[in-house]
Amino acid sequence: DAGVTQSPTHLIKTRGQQVTLRCSPKSGHDTVSWYQQALGQGPQFIFQYYEEEERQRGNFPDRFSGHQFPNYSSELNVNALLLGDSALYLCASSLGGGASDTQYFGPGTRLTVL
Amino acid sequence: GQSLEQPSEVTAVEGAIVQINCTYQTSGFYGLSWYQQHDGGAPTFLSYNALDGLEETGRFSSFLSRSDSYGYLLLQELQMKDSASYFCAVREDDYKLSFGAGTTVTVRA
Repeated sequence: DAGVTQSPTHLIKTRGQQVTLRCSPKSGHDTVSWYQQALGQGPQFIFQYYEEEERQRGNFPDRFSGHQFPNYSSELNVNALLLGDSALYLCASSLGGGASDTQYFGPGTRLTVL
Repeated sequence: GQSLEQPSEVTAVEGAIVQINCTYQTSGFYGLSWYQQHDGGAPTFLSYNALDGLEETGRFSSFLSRSDSYGYLLLQELQMKDSASYFCAVREDDYKLSFGAGTTVTVRA
């Protein structure tokens, strides 16, 4: 049973560039949430996707956008990269995304912006 | 806004017991979760408390007091492999998890 997978593992970009990160949820899961984790901090909620729609969004600017595909996989896009966007980006999957669900995290994509 | 407070670091020896406290102030509250994250790895789910009281899962236990906006994670019979960061997280509504900054637990031989 495959867990949550993310690609790429590491990425280096320069300021102003755009980046796309990918996530495949755990088998049987239909909900994908994205988090940003700065060094030494806890994950911060970016947004959640369910049925190909953004269901809720955290306190992140419009430069952060996403997409969910019919097979439940998801992409996170970040435009006009800033140095402060350097972080570990985590994808978490769950079933239904309800209040008592358990979220399963992927290993993350380490983004470095130079 | 929301805030979750937990100690930044805890050090203990193998076989000892460690308690990580978490106090929270959030706009909504459905329950308190705990996650473990080894250096550079994926956070893994440990426990979830929606109601007051103690939940026990093997060597780990978690407690919640909703009236005090307080919970803790208890790690018993510490092992070297328990060295990791531990995060408390509040589910504020149907979809959003808000995490604390994490507690780094170091287990010494």
